[in-house]
Amino acid sequence: DAGITQSPRHKVTETGTPVTLRCHQTENHRYMYWYRQDPGHGLRLIHYSYGVKDTDKGEVSDGYSVSRSKTEDFLLTLESATSSQTSVYFCAISDRGDEQFFGPGTRLTVL
Amino acid sequence: SQQGEEDPQALSIQEGENATMNCSYKTSINNLQWYRQNSGRGLVHLILIRSNEREKHSGRLRVTLDTSKKSSSLLITASRAADTASYFCATANFGNEKLTFGTGTRLTIIP
Repeated sequence: DAGITQSPRHKVTETGTPVTLRCHQTENHRYMYWYRQDPGHGLRLIHYSYGVKDTDKGEVSDGYSVSRSKTEDFLLTLESATSSQTSVYFCAISDRGDEQFFGPGTRLTVL
Repeated sequence: SQQGEEDPQALSIQEGENATMNCSYKTSINNLQWYRQNSGRGLVHLILIRSNEREKHSGRLRVTLDTSKKSSSLLITASRAADTASYFCATANFGNEKLTFGTGTRLTIIP
C-alpha cells in the first residue's frame, strides 16, 4: 500500500446523500483507477484516469463520477448514494498502464 | 462482464504441497496478470506475462500462458500458511490500459 492512500477507510451514509471518496498517490503515476469489489463479482472497474483532467468510464460507471485536477488525487463521487452501491472500493495506480498497485480500500455502507 | 474466470473457486491444501490455479479468458490479450489479496486488504501484483511469453517464474511462483487455449495457470510451490489468500487473474487487451479481473480463487493452506 506504500505510496497510495484512500480516505475515508470506512463510511456509513444514508440513501440519497452524495459521497466522495479520495485516492491520493505519492508515486507520480500517470494512471489511476477506481474499482468496486462485491462477493461473486470480483473487481469491476468504475472509472479510470490517464492524466490530469483525462478520465474514461469503466464497466460499472452509472451513478458515479470522477475528477482528477492534480496528478496525485483521484476523487470518486456517488452523486446520490443507493443501497446497491454498498461495497468495498479500491483505488489503483499504474505508471505505464500495465501492473497496478492498489490502495487499502474503503468500505462504504449505504443504509 | 468478466474476461477471466478462475478455477477452482476454492482450494485447500496442506502446507508444503503445491497449489495450482487456472484462469480462462475469452478474447485476445496483450498481457495477463496475477494478483493476491489477503483478507481485508488491497490486491498485490504478483506477476505479469505477455502474450508472446509462454512461461514465467518469480520465486515460488510459476505462471504459464497458452494463448491458443486462452488460458493461464499459476503454480505456487512448497506452499506456506502465509500463502492463504484469494488469487485473481486479470487481462489487458491491446492498446488498453484497463484490466478485467476474474472472480478469484480462495486458497487456504492448512498448517
